[in-house]
Amino acid sequence: NAGVTQTPKFQVLKTGQSMTLQCAQDMNHEYMSWYRQDPGMGLRLIHYSVGAGITDQGEVPNGYNVSRSTTEDFPLRLLSAAPSQTSVYFCASRSRNEQFFGPGTRLTVL
Amino acid sequence: KNQVEQSPQSLIILEGKNCTLQCNYTVSPFSNLRWYKQDTGRGPVSLTIMTFSENTKSNGRYTATLDADTKQSSLHITASQLSDSASYICVVSATGTASKLTFGTGTRLQVTL
Repeated sequence: NAGVTQTPKFQVLKTGQSMTLQCAQDMNHEYMSWYRQDPGMGLRLIHYSVGAGITDQGEVPNGYNVSRSTTEDFPLRLLSAAPSQTSVYFCASRSRNEQFFGPGTRLTVL
Repeated sequence: KNQVEQSPQSLIILEGKNCTLQCNYTVSPFSNLRWYKQDTGRGPVSLTIMTFSENTKSNGRYTATLDADTKQSSLHITASQLSDSASYICVVSATGTASKLTFGTGTRLQVTL
């Protein structure tokens, strides 16, 4: 039981490049979400999903896309990276009473 | 606007000493409050979750308290260890909003010899 896994752990992009951050969970949780964590700020919700085929926007969705084709996977796509997207990204999945976070992806956009 | 404020921002204590971290919130209607521990370079890990009716919950050397009337919570760490060095994040959930968790900015604790 690996919990929530994320890849890559580190990534450097140039402005305008696109990429996908991968997230997978093996706990059969319906609810999954993506957060970004910036210095001096609490985690902010980017997008979330309440089940396969269902996604919705969080607090800071601009510049990001998500899809949920399976219960296990919830990738986050950056369409055209900008320096403002430099951050640490966390994927999480939630059971009824608990939320489990992945180890994070540190993204730098030059 | 829902907010969670934590204090102090950072704290340095000697190994073996106790400490208390504070969390004040304005989230409404209140559902539950969670404390997470986040080691450097890792994702947050849950320590406790408290609902409206609970005013104390322990997890080993960690004890959380909740005063729903004053909208305050504290996390008390007893007999601190070097491995307690981390950021501690207070998170409050509002009723009826499956997606909406409000995160505090955390308290960074350093335990030294």
